[in-house]
Amino acid sequence: GDSVTQMEGPVTLSEEAFLTINCTYTATGYPSLFWYVQYPGEGLQLLLKATKADDKGSNKGFEATYRKETTSFHLEKGSVQVSDSAVYFCALLPSGGGADGLTFGKGTHLIIQP
Amino acid sequence: KAGVTQTPRYLIKTRGQQVTLSCSPISGHRSVSWYQQTPGQGLQFLFEYFSETQRNKGNFPGRFSGRQFSNSRSEMNVSTLELGDSALYLCASSFGPRAGGEETQYFGPGTRLLVL
Repeated sequence: GDSVTQMEGPVTLSEEAFLTINCTYTATGYPSLFWYVQYPGEGLQLLLKATKADDKGSNKGFEATYRKETTSFHLEKGSVQVSDSAVYFCALLPSGGGADGLTFGKGTHLIIQP
Repeated sequence: KAGVTQTPRYLIKTRGQQVTLSCSPISGHRSVSWYQQTPGQGLQFLFEYFSETQRNKGNFPGRFSGRQFSNSRSEMNVSTLELGDSALYLCASSFGPRAGGEETQYFGPGTRLLVL
């Protein structure tokens, strides 16, 4: 079945550091790929998405590129802030419709220190 | 445009009881999915409803059920609660399947259920 693998952390960085959170997936066809963020005590917020190979999703300084050849969708940000501290989830939606729901990674806990 | 709303936000029940959670999707969205989030298992797909029909169900026992109304609002029910049902239950809405590829799911704040 489909699966998503991401580093679980916690990942601790200093403010203004460069961020990379790795995400790789296993799926048939061409799934859509997503990054969601969860702040303490809240639900999931969509951060960015990409629906086909070589697409780049971006939002709030975060970027991720859909790499079909390496089945990856790594999340990057050039300069993180304390307010970026949260749990980040990589997810995929199978091609052909969402009947099977999103498949999520375990989540990466990101801690940014001032 | 208002986001996905879920009620109640917090709930405490005892083993053996049943519970009903409610979800109102974003206006215009016809698909509602439910997920369970626990520290041990992470985020797991429960089921999805579209046009009042369940399209698919994840690997959960029959104690977990749901329904969708004509206005796209959805409810999920858990009967005979067990301690392991304690979790954050998240609802997500989207336009619906094969809607021109726009199937991005938008999540509500969740209902935190504690079973004692």
